[in-house]
This record gives sequence, C-alpha cells and structure tokens, in this order.
Amino acid sequence: DSGVTQTPKHLITATGQRVTLRCSPRSGDLSVYWYQQSLDQGLQFLIQYYNGEERAKGNILERFSAQQFPDLHSELNLSSLELGDSALYFCASSSNNEQFFGPGTRLTVL
Amino acid sequence: AQSVTQPDIHITVSEGASLELRCNYSYGATPYLFWYVQSPGQGLQLLLKYFSGDTLVQGIKGFEAEFKRSQSSFNLRKPSVHWSDAAEYFCAVGENYKLSFGAGTTVTVRA
Repeated sequence: DSGVTQTPKHLITATGQRVTLRCSPRSGDLSVYWYQQSLDQGLQFLIQYYNGEERAKGNILERFSAQQFPDLHSELNLSSLELGDSALYFCASSSNNEQFFGPGTRLTVL
Repeated sequence: AQSVTQPDIHITVSEGASLELRCNYSYGATPYLFWYVQSPGQGLQLLLKYFSGDTLVQGIKGFEAEFKRSQSSFNLRKPSVHWSDAAEYFCAVGENYKLSFGAGTTVTVRA
C-alpha cells in the first residue's frame, strides 16, 4: 500500500459525459501527479500540482482539467468523453524525488 | 525532451533462471532513473532508483540495476526469477519530478 488513495476504482460512462476522479496523496506530500495509461499511448504524464498550484503540464487534453484543494487532495475532471479516453488513470504523490502511485481508476467510455 | 526505450516488449523466462530487462534513455543531464513493476490490475510499485553515486543499485524483491552513462542504459536484473515476478516492468526517467516512462516489458515466468 503506497498510501495514495484513488476513488472510484472503476467508472463506466457514455460518450459525451463528464466524470471526476479523486486522489488523496500520502500524508505530508504536497505534490500530486496525474498519469494516463492506455494501450496505444502507454503511460503518459498529464499534470502536476504542488501545494494547490499547477506546476507542470504534460499531454493533457483541453477537455481535461485538474485542481488541488487546500487539504491537498486532487481531482481530475474529464469532459466530453470519447471512446479513446478509456484508460487507467493514476495519481501519484512524491517526496525525496520518489513518486508513489495510487491503485488507479479504470475509466471505460461506452 | 527525454525519452525512454525498452526494446523488449515481452520476455519469457523459466522459474529460477536469471532475468535482464533493458532500458535506454535519452536525456541531456544526469538523469534520475527508476524501475517500476505493475502486476495485473495493480498500480505501480517502485523497485529501485538511481540518482547519483554507486552505479549498481539494489532494490526490493531481489532486483538490481546498473547505470551505464556511456551506453545511456539502466538495465534491470534478477539472478533467480520467481513465479511471482510475472508482471509488467517500466523504466522511467525523472525530470523536475515528472516521469517519462518506457513502453514496458511484460515478463512471463514458466514453471
């Protein structure tokens, strides 16, 4: 158990819908990262937050957004969902240059 | 931009045999290097990391990796594989805490 929690574990929705994925970092970690793992793109960095502020952006679509709240939990919002958004979404938090990954949320878009 | 190449998509190894997974990276500065393992339906678990110093690093579950700057490689090894080592293995390069991952190598262990 990494100490990073993600909810929900599974999510099934339809095209065009909007979903929110939630992540709680390890106690004391200020950084949260979001990654997407799909069969065709592999593991890709989406976005990083540090203590509530966006710090780095990767291959994140404009339809996707994230935020980190004062209690340091983070949410990843995915809107206007397409079939190709079906993937495993991981959250990670870091300390001492190590990233600790949550169990992921598996999103299926039908 | 950094990139990570794992040349082997799939490796099959017999239980008790040795295992080596290859990883090559492209990065301008001294990289932070990592190996993660992902079991089916699970998240990513850190096996080991290299930041600086001794180029041979020891990790969990009996794994080790060697950093070779001249070859831009960070290969993962295990002397004797157990059936529970069947999983997908990812090499990653860290820059400003962001990780760039290789495509992964799936390891199958046969009895």
